Amino acid sequence: DVQLVESGGGLVKPGRSLRLSCAASGFTFDDFSVTWIRQVPGKGLEWVGFIRRTPDGGTTEYAASVKGRFTISRDDSKSIAYLHMDSLKTEDTAVYYCTRVDLGYRTFDFWGQGTLVTVSS
Amino acid sequence: SSVLTQSPSVSVAPGQTARVTCGGDNIEHKGVHWYQQKPGQAPLLVIYDATDRPSGIPERFSGSNSGNTATLTISSVEAGDEADFYCHVWDSITDQPVLGGGTKLTVL
Repeated sequence: DVQLVESGGGLVKPGRSLRLSCAASGFTFDDFSVTWIRQVPGKGLEWVGFIRRTPDGGTTEYAASVKGRFTISRDDSKSIAYLHMDSLKTEDTAVYYCTRVDLGYRTFDFWGQGTLVTVSS
Repeated sequence: SSVLTQSPSVSVAPGQTARVTCGGDNIEHKGVHWYQQKPGQAPLLVIYDATDRPSGIPERFSGSNSGNTATLTISSVEAGDEADFYCHVWDSITDQPVLGGGTKLTVL
């Protein structure tokens, strides 16, 4: 079965850094792009960024709200995607989900359970 | 860049039909996907490419797309359908995903 499991969330002070992990199983990881999406509790979904699948170069795209502060990477040998967050702000407080991007229609066809990041002094 | 507009809320009685809309410029020419998010859960894909259902999604869920509006239709609504629904397309110019603001479906 396809599974995505996020980890690394927690409480962090403004200005600090945090790295989230998304561990994948049940599929050939390097064949798929991975997206990070966040959700402020009680609010809607916000796309954060994604990393293309390795055959497409493994390049990245970011939302304007995080560009320059967040970096997505992947380790295909471990089937893990990372979201490295620098210069965190209180407004980055959210549940962070990783999703697999379907090859054909580019849906977010599988999601992790999410990990909560709280940025507070 | 693309913008997707959803009504904040829709209310329907059990057994009735709920329609959730997603507005976007020429959205009929885009592949629209819909996600259902129940409280405390991760979103779940319920419709892809405007009209297709992933395996395991009940036939009560259907989709359509015309002009500037895509619609998710849920027939014979049940209490368990209460959730937030989000539409999603890819911006063909920026190659970035665009998500609607979400619609809360309340079953009266």
